Order: sequence, then C-alpha cells, then structure tokens
Amino acid sequence: QSVLTQPPSASGAPGQRVTISCSGSSSNIGRDYVSWLQQLPGTTPKLLIYRNNQRPSGVPDRFSGSKSGTSASLAISGLRSEDEADYYCATWDDSLSAWVFGGGTKLTVL
Amino acid sequence: QVQLQQSGPGLVKPSQTLSLTCAISGDSVSSKNAAWNWIRQSPSRGLEWLGRTYYRSKWYNEYAVSVKNRITIKPDTSKNQFSLQLNFVIPEDTAVYYCVTGDGVLGFWGQGTLVTVSS
Repeated sequence: QSVLTQPPSASGAPGQRVTISCSGSSSNIGRDYVSWLQQLPGTTPKLLIYRNNQRPSGVPDRFSGSKSGTSASLAISGLRSEDEADYYCATWDDSLSAWVFGGGTKLTVL
Repeated sequence: QVQLQQSGPGLVKPSQTLSLTCAISGDSVSSKNAAWNWIRQSPSRGLEWLGRTYYRSKWYNEYAVSVKNRITIKPDTSKNQFSLQLNFVIPEDTAVYYCVTGDGVLGFWGQGTLVTVSS
C-alpha cells in the first residue's frame, strides 16, 4: 500500500492531453514539493518534474506539473507513442522522515 | 552532470548480508547540497526508499522504518562513493536496488542492480 495514491492506469490517443493525479496528506504533499518520475519499459526511473512544476533540462514542455493542497497532477499534452511508460509521484514525508512514492500509473497511448 | 555507477553481487542467500556500492562522478559525496539515497523497486512493494546519508558540517543518516534495524548506509570519502548494507535478508528483499542523488530531488539514478535473495 503506497503512501501516495495514483490511478493504476491512464490512456489517451496520440495528440490528446492526459492528466495523472496523485493524492497525499498534510504530512507529505501538503508540506513539501512534489516530483514526478517517468519509467520507460525496462529502464531506470527518470526525473520528469521537480518542485511541483519545474522541468529538468531536456524534458519537453508537453509535460507539466501542478499542486494544490494535498494533491498534485501531471499533465501530458500532445500525447506521443514514446510517452508510454509508468509515471510515479514522489515527495518527502515529514511524519515518516522518508521519501514516499505513489504506486505508479501505467500510461497507454491508444 | 552527476553519474552513479553501482556494483555488487546479484545473488544473496537468506540470512546473509546484501552489500552494494555506488561510485560517484561529477560531484562529491561530501557535497553540502546533495543527499545520497538507496531506493529499491519490486513488483510487490513498488518504489521504496531505504535511506540516505548526507554531509552538512557533519554526517547524517536517515533510514526507513521498515529496514531500520537491518540497514547501514556509509560514505567513503577516500573513494568518493557510498554503500548499502542490508543484514539478515529474506526473499522479500528481492528487488532492483538503485542509488540516487540530487539537491532535494531524486535527480540522478544509478543503473540499478537486480538482487535476488535465494538459497
């Protein structure tokens, strides 16, 4: 059982916009920045979004993040086949003194 | 650009000690901005943070409650690397183990090591 809650799956057609949610609590998302990780099939997780809405260099602006209260969202616009991956939200939990993760959302591009 | 290179055995017997090392290039293990984490991933447990070490005028360690009694993460300043030891392993410790670092983020990941706990 993950500390952060994500939908197990999401899907969209090429060119569409998809949103993935991440729900937490006042001890984690409510207090600290949220990151999003992308894990392409058979590869290592990669930082996609940090500090709620910042993109590391090289990440396309089709990817955006937001946070409100104890929830966060990742939006992917102009969906492409290469976006098929697992997406994880992550943040620091002050009560647990630990990084915590969502269970991951498997994105399928139809 | 920080790069992390992991090394260590891929098979450990139950009740023995899992030991992995993460060699750092592009940064210093003594950096006052970075933290040096170990994270594992398995189908049953997903991504699980195990612990970290970091230097802020002195060395600090923080460990996940789930492994607190079995884990040690240590820096090695002479080799610019850090290590993970997990004692008394059980089959449920089978996972891909990653070393990860960043300045308040999980920005740079090692290549991952699949560790299987089996006799």
